[in-house]
Amino acid sequence: GAVVSQHPSWVICKSGTSVKIECRSLDFQATTMFWYRQFPKKSLMLMATSNEGSKATYEQGVEKDKFLINHASLTLSTLTVTSAHPEDSSFYICSASGPTNPYEQYFGPGTRLTVT
Amino acid sequence: AQSVTQLGSHVSVSEGALVLLRCNYSSSVPPYLFWYVQYPNQGLQLLLKYTTGATLVKGINGFEAEFKKSETSFHLTKPSAHMSDAAEYFCAVQSPPGGYNKLIFGAGTRLAVHP
Repeated sequence: GAVVSQHPSWVICKSGTSVKIECRSLDFQATTMFWYRQFPKKSLMLMATSNEGSKATYEQGVEKDKFLINHASLTLSTLTVTSAHPEDSSFYICSASGPTNPYEQYFGPGTRLTVT
Repeated sequence: AQSVTQLGSHVSVSEGALVLLRCNYSSSVPPYLFWYVQYPNQGLQLLLKYTTGATLVKGINGFEAEFKKSETSFHLTKPSAHMSDAAEYFCAVQSPPGGYNKLIFGAGTRLAVHP
């Protein structure tokens, strides 16, 4: 149980374009989803927290207009990187928690974004 | 504010040797503590967690960790390393004011296991 998937697993896009990453909870209702960014050989940096049906709460320093997060249902959250630039290249990981154990996060496999 | 310090960004052990990965945390209130493992180009897998109760917690793959409040530590150990243990390990803490759902990660420790 408690499986989280991400799609795509990797994506290459051109500078200036937008790219959408999906995060799905496959076997539980994710009341809260989290988006992290991980630079090479670095730790995870929380970008934003989203509750189903509400606007995402962004961490300090994260541009909300750059990284659009939508959590429209209890099983799906999306992260859209708008007008991507090479510095947005990174490994993006989502996690989800449910109502039974809200403190426990289940992580997706990550999405490697490369902007050329 | 909460924080996590992992001593040693790289740890190298021989196969069969003891694994000790250090984690110290800072929190003004009782925290929840976690250890995750990450293999290359993959997400995080939960190894073990401490919330309340017994301070020695056992996790998957033979790992265990002990919560020591007086030392503000939550070190991860395994009696005998296996080649498949080579990976990146992250310690994380949860506590208010972020609420018991916001994770703060340490910088990570890369474990290498050599024959």
